[in-house]
Amino acid sequence: EVQLLESGGGLVQPGGSLRLSCAASGFTFSSYAMSWVRQAPGKGLEWVSSISGSGGSTYYADSVKGRFTISRDTSKNTLSLQMKSLRGEDTAVYFCAKDQAPYTVTTKSFDMWGQGTMVTVSS
Amino acid sequence: QSALTQPASVSGSPGQSITISCTGTSSDVGLYNYVSWYQQHPGKAPKLMIYDVSNRPSGVSNRFSGSKSGNTASLTISGLQAEDEADYYCSSYTSSTTLVFGGGTKLTVL
Repeated sequence: EVQLLESGGGLVQPGGSLRLSCAASGFTFSSYAMSWVRQAPGKGLEWVSSISGSGGSTYYADSVKGRFTISRDTSKNTLSLQMKSLRGEDTAVYFCAKDQAPYTVTTKSFDMWGQGTMVTVSS
Repeated sequence: QSALTQPASVSGSPGQSITISCTGTSSDVGLYNYVSWYQQHPGKAPKLMIYDVSNRPSGVSNRFSGSKSGNTASLTISGLQAEDEADYYCSSYTSSTTLVFGGGTKLTVL
């Protein structure tokens, strides 16, 4: 069974940092691009960042470019999102998501999502 | 990258059909056949309903179908059922190698 389990969310002050993790199981992790998608309270979905299966290609939304870093550890089947210089507008549930098709460099659609981890940026 | 445009809400009675539109630009919806649709119930993670404009993942009811014309994609749900009541989001791959979502549509089954 494919499973994605996020962790690392919490309350952080503006300007602070936080690292999210997503433990993947039930599929060949290195064959799939992975992404982070967030959803602010009561709002819609926003794509945040993606990384290719090899980890060699990364992509970011303009809203987080230069502040967030996506990475993956194939040996541990783990996806990470390092977030720094956090702002109030980064407050959201962060979902880890798996690409629908294998061996793609860029992400197109997500066929599996984690349950999400809440990040609150507030003083 | 601006969000794709969806109606804020749609409604229909059980058994009826409804269509949700998703309008983008010639740099995303109009350029690629990489439009997806997601269903999200309150407090839950999104679920993939349609990918690559019109393909259904295994396990998704054939009451859900997708199409595209120019810069606008559409999701049609036929034979509406109570459990279809949810938020629906479209997404598209873009020429900037990013992904953009629509603002979401709340479907109410009357």
